[in-house]
Amino acid sequence: SAVISQKPSRDICQRGTSLTIQCQVDSQVTMMFWYRQQPGQSLTLIATANQGSEATYESGFVIDKFPISRPNLTFSTLTVSNMSPEDSSIYLCSVAGGQRGYTFGSGTRLTVV
Amino acid sequence: KQEVTQIPAALSVPEGENLVLNCSFTDSAIYNLQWFRQDPGKGLTSLLLIQSSQREQTSGRLNASLDKSSGRSTLYIAASQPGDSATYLCAVTTQGGSEKLVFGKGMKLTVNP
Repeated sequence: SAVISQKPSRDICQRGTSLTIQCQVDSQVTMMFWYRQQPGQSLTLIATANQGSEATYESGFVIDKFPISRPNLTFSTLTVSNMSPEDSSIYLCSVAGGQRGYTFGSGTRLTVV
Repeated sequence: KQEVTQIPAALSVPEGENLVLNCSFTDSAIYNLQWFRQDPGKGLTSLLLIQSSQREQTSGRLNASLDKSSGRSTLYIAASQPGDSATYLCAVTTQGGSEKLVFGKGMKLTVNP
């Protein structure tokens, strides 16, 4: 199955600033997925990123707050913009592995102060 | 809308016990079901993937079963060890739609030495 390198692993940020999270996959994949996991909660899909087109956002998530780039088939970034303490979460990227199921990055633990 | 439920939310057991973790889903038209493990503050590790046409999958001390018609899956952990302590998440992919996963809220397992 694919191996995903995600960074940073954690960060503490000031409110009002932005953080960009990167995910690098060791193979070419059509779709990459970005999830948020708020404290004590399960994972919620933010958006699906396809190479060469705009990301598709889930209800409750907007591009201005969570802009996504997908410049090629092995890389994607998620930016958390104009952060507030409510954005403190673990953010994870994921790819589908067909018969092997889904693989996740190691996560980015974000704390906004 | 697909909903995934895991009950109980937490379980604490002594080492050596055989465990059954439950997962239920509302829409039986699933493509596959996947069990994950998450250690505190970390990403997700895939444990087992069951395709919709399969009844069970096994890996070491883990066995996962799927009953699509009743909307249920169980994860069986044999001879539990303290290293099994983690949160276990169940997720499904629904047929005919996007490839996104729908997660349960997870079950926090503590295995006491």
